[in-house]
Amino acid sequence: ELKVEQNPLFLSMQEGKNYTIYCNYSTTSDRLYWYRQDPGKSLESLFVLLSNGAVKQEGRLMASLDTKARLSTLHITAAVHDLSATYFCAVDRGEIQGAQKLVFGQGTRLTINP
Amino acid sequence: DAMVIQNPRYQVTQFGKPVTLSCSQTLNHNVMYWYQQKSSQAPKLLFHYYDKDFNNEADTPDNFQSRRPNTSFCFLDIRSPGLGDAAMYLCATSSLDRYYEQYFGPGTRLTVT
Repeated sequence: ELKVEQNPLFLSMQEGKNYTIYCNYSTTSDRLYWYRQDPGKSLESLFVLLSNGAVKQEGRLMASLDTKARLSTLHITAAVHDLSATYFCAVDRGEIQGAQKLVFGQGTRLTINP
Repeated sequence: DAMVIQNPRYQVTQFGKPVTLSCSQTLNHNVMYWYQQKSSQAPKLLFHYYDKDFNNEADTPDNFQSRRPNTSFCFLDIRSPGLGDAAMYLCATSSLDRYYEQYFGPGTRLTVT
């Protein structure tokens, strides 16, 4: 059974600082996703990582995937208040062609203080 | 704009009273998914449709059913809602040629009284 674990689960940081959120998963997969969720809202897709060594960056966020270590990281550079949200990683179980079966991590609630 | 639409955005139902949530899409995607997200928890896949083929997750309670009358619409039926079914319900879609991307709707927040 695929298990996806994030850490930390809660993160409070100051504006301007750097930090990394980690996502570990238990079985082989080469499809990993990062989502952002604001309170009471739906999921917003941030990154789609489809191969070992994939690295993607958007603004102050950068995500990477190491399929051999079964580890993805979401790095935040020079955090700003607008990045406060809950961040989820999700891994595709890869059981079927043409569709996804995502297993989500617990989420990391990020609060950025002025 | 092509999109995934969920109605209603907020639904209040009584304990045991059947309720239906609606999802529609203008993306013409083959696959539609339903997720349940309880407060402060991760989304959990309930089932998905691959065209007309229904695929249930093994741990989805029998109380939850789904219908997909055509490509554009998919419904989530909760036959006898319990207090534990209060959650955000998220609909998502994906296409065969870009199956690795899911498009999420805004969600329906269900309250059970």
